[in-house]
Amino acid sequence: ETGVTQTPRHLVMGMTNKKSLKCEQHLGHNAMYWYKQSAKKPLELMFVYNFKEQTENNSVPSRFSPECPNSSHLFLHLHTLQPEDSALYLCASSQEGQDHTGELFFGEGSRLTVL
Amino acid sequence: GQNIDQPTEMTATEGAIVQINCTYQTSGFNGLFWYQQHAGEAPTFLSYNVLDGLEEKGRFSSFLSRSKGYSYLLLKELQMKDSASYLCAVINSNYQLIWGAGTKLIIKP
Repeated sequence: ETGVTQTPRHLVMGMTNKKSLKCEQHLGHNAMYWYKQSAKKPLELMFVYNFKEQTENNSVPSRFSPECPNSSHLFLHLHTLQPEDSALYLCASSQEGQDHTGELFFGEGSRLTVL
Repeated sequence: GQNIDQPTEMTATEGAIVQINCTYQTSGFNGLFWYQQHAGEAPTFLSYNVLDGLEEKGRFSSFLSRSKGYSYLLLKELQMKDSASYLCAVINSNYQLIWGAGTKLIIKP
């Protein structure tokens, strides 16, 4: 139990579906992240929210849409995905200070399969 | 560009010692993390190095040489539960985390 909870753990969707991934952190952290993890590749940072403001968007296609309603919750809305988007999507949180990157606490991930 | 290099896969024997290397080329350096990730589970924090030298934590130790752009994770008295992927990540001068692809460690009886 890392204090970061992701749902659903597994998701299968067609290319025309709309679905959402949910992340909740119970650690009181001020930053939340979405990462994409594909086999044998480095973690790819998708989005960062610091104090609920999006501070980073690493050229992610618009078919991925993040939402951060408060500092404890983070969503990733999915629409018209492609088969190559199949991967493990990890949510993480950390306590960020000025000029300091804190340890990341990860959720167990949502395994997404796009048919 | 920026990259982190670590071996894709390593095999070791239960009870032995294994060293997982990580070399990095990044725009600046503000620290290095090691994470452990069991299959189907969340990555979990193992260690953080920002100064040169060895940090020991039980059976696990992590070493850093900033001048060589090099770190290693040393695992002693290997147990079957140590079978996992080990991820190296560097904080660059912009406080961005640059990740390696991970090393899958297989422990054999």
